[in-house]
Amino acid sequence: DAGVIQSPRHEVTEMGQEVTLRCKPISGHNSLFWYRQTMMRGLELLIYFNNNVPIDDSGMPEDRFSAKMPNASFSTLKIQPSEPRDSAVYFCASTGWQGPDSGANVLTFGAGSRLTVL
Amino acid sequence: GQNIDQPTEMTATEGAIVQINCTYQTSGFNGLFWYQQHAGEAPTFLSYNVLDGLEEKGRFSSFLSRSKGYSYLLLKELQMKDSASYLCAVDNYGQNFVFGPGTRLSVLP
Repeated sequence: DAGVIQSPRHEVTEMGQEVTLRCKPISGHNSLFWYRQTMMRGLELLIYFNNNVPIDDSGMPEDRFSAKMPNASFSTLKIQPSEPRDSAVYFCASTGWQGPDSGANVLTFGAGSRLTVL
Repeated sequence: GQNIDQPTEMTATEGAIVQINCTYQTSGFNGLFWYQQHAGEAPTFLSYNVLDGLEEKGRFSSFLSRSKGYSYLLLKELQMKDSASYLCAVDNYGQNFVFGPGTRLSVLP
């Protein structure tokens, strides 16, 4: 298995531009998570999907952020317009959650997308 | 609410033993995970505890006390390559993973 695949690995853009980050979860995993990591705030959950349906987006900073999962093998996180404070590493992670009694539910992370907004 | 605490930084010597603590207060609990994250890389899974007690995996062991909301990661025979951040995370019934702030461990020769 190729693991969780994210693109791009690095993106440098200017304030006001649209940014789209992409994620392909592990085949067979039915839950997908988007996290943001900064030195100041650590690893923050932005949104997660279960069976392609957004379950909790309370971590999305504001309306400038949106996420979609049109099918089981693809998700996007979009920032429009981007701002310098959005600079961070964005991680996508997936897991094959089968229910509360299914045992270990290991979250597997992609390599991350490092975003710099100038 | 959700609250997970870990020490910010720790330093230890090569060959020694170090214990990294984690305390948590979360709305749900289906297990506690420990992840290792080297600088510039993604977190990788180390261990999982759902029942009270110690889980041993080679040089790494993890302990959980659900009644106390407490866990620790024990690293033995420290190696230079163990220098990394260690994050504990609570699985809220598989629908949410809440991560602690991470503990940056430096292993000195």
